[in-house]
Amino acid sequence: GAGVSQSPSNKVTEKGKDVELRCDPISGHTALYWYRQRLGQGLEFLIYFQGNSAPDKSGLPSDRFSAERTGESVSTLTIQRTQQEDSAVYLCASSEGGGLTDTQYFGPGTRLTVL
Amino acid sequence: AQSVTQLGSHVSVSEGALVLLRCNYSSSVPPYLFWYVQYPNQGLQLLLKYTSAATLVKGINGFEAEFKKSETSFHLTKPSAHMSDAAEYFCAVSAPGSRRALTFGSGTRLQVQP
Repeated sequence: GAGVSQSPSNKVTEKGKDVELRCDPISGHTALYWYRQRLGQGLEFLIYFQGNSAPDKSGLPSDRFSAERTGESVSTLTIQRTQQEDSAVYLCASSEGGGLTDTQYFGPGTRLTVL
Repeated sequence: AQSVTQLGSHVSVSEGALVLLRCNYSSSVPPYLFWYVQYPNQGLQLLLKYTSAATLVKGINGFEAEFKKSETSFHLTKPSAHMSDAAEYFCAVSAPGSRRALTFGSGTRLQVQP
């Protein structure tokens, strides 16, 4: 079946512009995660959605970052007034139930470059 | 809070040689541990996971890992490396009482020499 998809695959923007990144999770997966991967580093957690519960936003690095999810489907991550340090690969993952041992399935990522 | 340390950002082995990628964790409660692989220009893929059942876990592509509580380790091994194993490998942890997302190590890039 279809995996997690993300768009765009690459985004180049100018400092100060807003960007919107999209994630389509696997159908039926109630949990959705956003991570950031800076060059040469591991993944940093950003935000977690589980069903209709309030999202866990504890990983968002500043108030310029926000995310939404429509029901149990598409999610968008928005970065306002982008800065050069926002340059990274943004990865989305989904899991069936959001349990601690559930496998997270990752999308291919969006590579964001802020000039 | 929990954390993961991967010793060696780059590991190089010869084709057919043993692969050993190191992962040590820190957690105040019994953890769940994962190994993911990232091939070039692809998303992360689960290799294997430890969920408190058997301490020796077998995964895909001939990889296995052993949970050793006394050493707080979860090292990844494969008896014989293939060229196709060249990729970046990430160890990750989750634990009861913590947030649902995984905490990842910084990754180890595996090179396989012919």
